[in-house]
Amino acid sequence: AQTVTQSQPEMSVQEAETVTLSCTYDTSENNYYLFWYKQPPSRQMILVIRQEAYKQQNATENRFSVNFQKAAKSFSLKISDSQLGDTAMYFCAFMIGGANSKLTFGKGITLSVRP
Amino acid sequence: NAGVTQTPKFRVLKTGQSMTLLCAQDMNHEYMYWYRQDPGMGLRLIHYSVGEGTTAKGEVPDGYNVSRLKKQNFLLGLESAAPSQTSVYFCASSSPRTSGLSYEQYFGPGTRLTVT
Repeated sequence: AQTVTQSQPEMSVQEAETVTLSCTYDTSENNYYLFWYKQPPSRQMILVIRQEAYKQQNATENRFSVNFQKAAKSFSLKISDSQLGDTAMYFCAFMIGGANSKLTFGKGITLSVRP
Repeated sequence: NAGVTQTPKFRVLKTGQSMTLLCAQDMNHEYMYWYRQDPGMGLRLIHYSVGEGTTAKGEVPDGYNVSRLKKQNFLLGLESAAPSQTSVYFCASSSPRTSGLSYEQYFGPGTRLTVT
């Protein structure tokens, strides 16, 4: 079975600064996908970024980037130039490739951006 | 294009009552999922469906039943609600046709259910 671990329950960052959220996972599979989801106070789940395990290049979406270390099974999210709207809960999630794929989520981390 | 919608948004039940949560998607997705979110637990998969007329158990299926009679709808039923089922329920859908091999899931807005 796959597991996803987010060991930091809460983090805080000053507006305009950079913050990194940690995530580790455990799997024996070689073909899989990793995701970071954002859940603001509205409760809506929003996909922030995804990474295919077969790609060596780290994914980037505007101010959001990941540091994917496959051998270490680590998948951290870096948020640059933090904005007040980044205040939310962030979930790391894992999926094995192929049909019948299911997401396994970490417990989440609450990020607060201070003005 | 409404995406994924959930009905109702909020509900309060008494122990032993039954109810059905409705999830609807207008993206013609094959796969649909039901998750529950509890404080400190992240989202956990209850049941899922890979096509009309098919369902399968997820990580925490006990106390729930599901049906997928139409491709666009996925129903989650609680036959005899218990306080342990107090949670926020999310529906999601996905299709390999729209998101390549990554099966990206699109989520509904959630239903907050309280069982007293």
